[in-house]
Formats: sequence, C-alpha cells, structure tokens
Amino acid sequence: DVKVTQSSRYLVKRTGEKVFLECVQDMDHENMFWYRQDPGLGLRLIYFSYDVKMKEKGDIPEGYSVSREKKERFSLILESASTNQTSMYLCASRQGPWGNQPQHFGDGTRLSIL
Amino acid sequence: GDSVTQMEGPVTLSEEAFLTINCTYTATGYPSLFWYVQYPGEGLQLLLKATKADDKGSNKGFEATYRKETTSFHLEKGSVQVSDSAVYFCALSDASPEKLTFGTGTRLTIIP
Repeated sequence: DVKVTQSSRYLVKRTGEKVFLECVQDMDHENMFWYRQDPGLGLRLIYFSYDVKMKEKGDIPEGYSVSREKKERFSLILESASTNQTSMYLCASRQGPWGNQPQHFGDGTRLSIL
Repeated sequence: GDSVTQMEGPVTLSEEAFLTINCTYTATGYPSLFWYVQYPGEGLQLLLKATKADDKGSNKGFEATYRKETTSFHLEKGSVQVSDSAVYFCALSDASPEKLTFGTGTRLTIIP
C-alpha cells in the first residue's frame, strides 16, 4: 500500500511566522499535491508538482509556496502565516499524470494560526 | 469550469438501512469519477472509481455507476453499518488531469 506521511497532525503557530508542512511518500510517485480542507468548501488545490523541482499553481496559491528537492518529499510553506490560513492541510501523491489514477492521501495536518 | 455537486448533509441513518448519496457533475470532456471516504481523524481514502460511461465502481459493499446521460455518479449501499460513519467526497478528474475537483462532502452518521 502507498504510504503518505505528513510530519505533524496538529500545529499551532503565530501570525507572521514562516511555517513549513512536510510530506513524504514511499512509492516513488511522480506527482504530489497540497490541498486545504475547509467546512462547506471541500478540498481546494494549493499547489502540485509533477516531478522533482517542478511545481504548478493550483486554485488558491496566494500566500503559499512549495519545494520539491527530492522525489519523495513535498513541502508546503506559508511565507507569513495569517489567521485565514487556519485549516486542515492534506498532502497527496499519484503515480503519474493520468487522470484515471487515484490520488493517495496523508492523514492531514490541522494548522491553527493565532 | 468543472464542478461537482453533492447532496447536503449531514445524513443520519439506522444500521442496515439503504444508503444513497447523490453526486452530479459538470465537465467539458470525459472525466474519471471517484468516491473518497474520510473517517474521523484521518485523511481521504479511495473508495471506488469509474473511468468511462456505464462503468460501475464497487468496494466494501458500496457501488456507483457512471451515468453520462444524467451526469451523475450516485453512491449506494444496500445495508449500512456503524463503521460506515464518515464523510464521503465525490470527485472528478477531467481536462486538467493533474487536478481533482471535489464536492463539498457529505457527512454520514449511522445509528445502531
């Protein structure tokens, strides 16, 4: 089974801090994704990466950046955290770029910005 | 653009009841369709999928049929259990294959 591991289940940070969320997958998948999940809005795509050192903006990239230096690791960075970034963050991976393949999700990081 | 509409929750049923969660979609091409399930405190897990019209996805007693004529992918189960309590998400993958478009989720609670 694919294992997607997010470094923290819960995180509390302060406004203005630089925040790093880490995600590691163990199946040599090419594609990786970051979503945020908010009640009533479902999941919204922040950024994705289809290979090492490559990244593409999703639907809501403002206030975020990403890094993919190694194939197995995809980091989400909040450059200057704000309270409206309090949310559940989910990382996912997929074997390749084909839409009929499923994405595999980590357990999520619940981030609170005070 | 692509969109997915799910029935509003929460849905509460008694154990062994029949379940239907409605899902309809709007897409420009020929999408693949998915149902994901999120148990409390966990991430999303793939429940089932269908990649072309008239395909039926099934898993763990759940079924959904890809209906192109009605642009629907309704989730059904004949007899639900308490362990099925979770949030269910319908999703599609279309012309931007990198991207999944999700519905807002339906929270299901099963009462013993």
